[in-house]
Amino acid sequence: GAGVSQTPSNKVTEKGKYVELRCDPISGHTALYWYRQSLGQGPEFLIYFQGTGAADDSGLPNDRFFAVRPEGSVSTLKIQRTERGDSAVYLCASSWGGQENTGELFFGEGSRLTVL
Amino acid sequence: AQSVTQLGSHVSVSEGALVLLRCNYSSSVPPYLFWYVQYPNQGLQLLLKYTSAATLVKGINGFEAEFKKSETSFHLTKPSAHMRDAAEYFCAVSATGGGNKLTFGTGTQLKVEL
Repeated sequence: GAGVSQTPSNKVTEKGKYVELRCDPISGHTALYWYRQSLGQGPEFLIYFQGTGAADDSGLPNDRFFAVRPEGSVSTLKIQRTERGDSAVYLCASSWGGQENTGELFFGEGSRLTVL
Repeated sequence: AQSVTQLGSHVSVSEGALVLLRCNYSSSVPPYLFWYVQYPNQGLQLLLKYTSAATLVKGINGFEAEFKKSETSFHLTKPSAHMRDAAEYFCAVSATGGGNKLTFGTGTQLKVEL
């Protein structure tokens, strides 16, 4: 499809395990964002990439969270030593960069992470 | 820093009635403001945005919002609700307007009753 694709759609893991969540943005979008949405809350900013580099990672809650975008397209959000509090829906969004940016983020359907 | 406050986590209206979802913002610089909608099992979708042009912004599906600087508000309205409007609505603010680092409100769940 032409939209933002996130995999897996659901992930159940045990406390202490390592998790990777993948995001495939819309082709041609240079900006990519990760958000986290807990139950009853709005999306919370985690990190933003412009191309391959993290332009703003101020929303990452601690050093267990890390994200990469090695080729400027697909991104992976990595969570080490998962905790029950990490349970949430992780949203990825992409947008045009630079002068083509209209201010609109295009969101994927999210990856629901449950830590038991 | 920017923030938004959405008054009312749940709003219920009758089909055909006016929809009013409230959003107030706080921003240290001129804000760019957005309304997103999330239908069940779908991703967030942009309804409309204010980017310092016209203060009355029209969006998709008959929704509109008015930017009122004096009231620091950006309320979402629709004259006549339809069953298909039932969804969760999020107000968001950005300082740069470049779409990066949106700060979202906690959302308002809209229920439309017959």
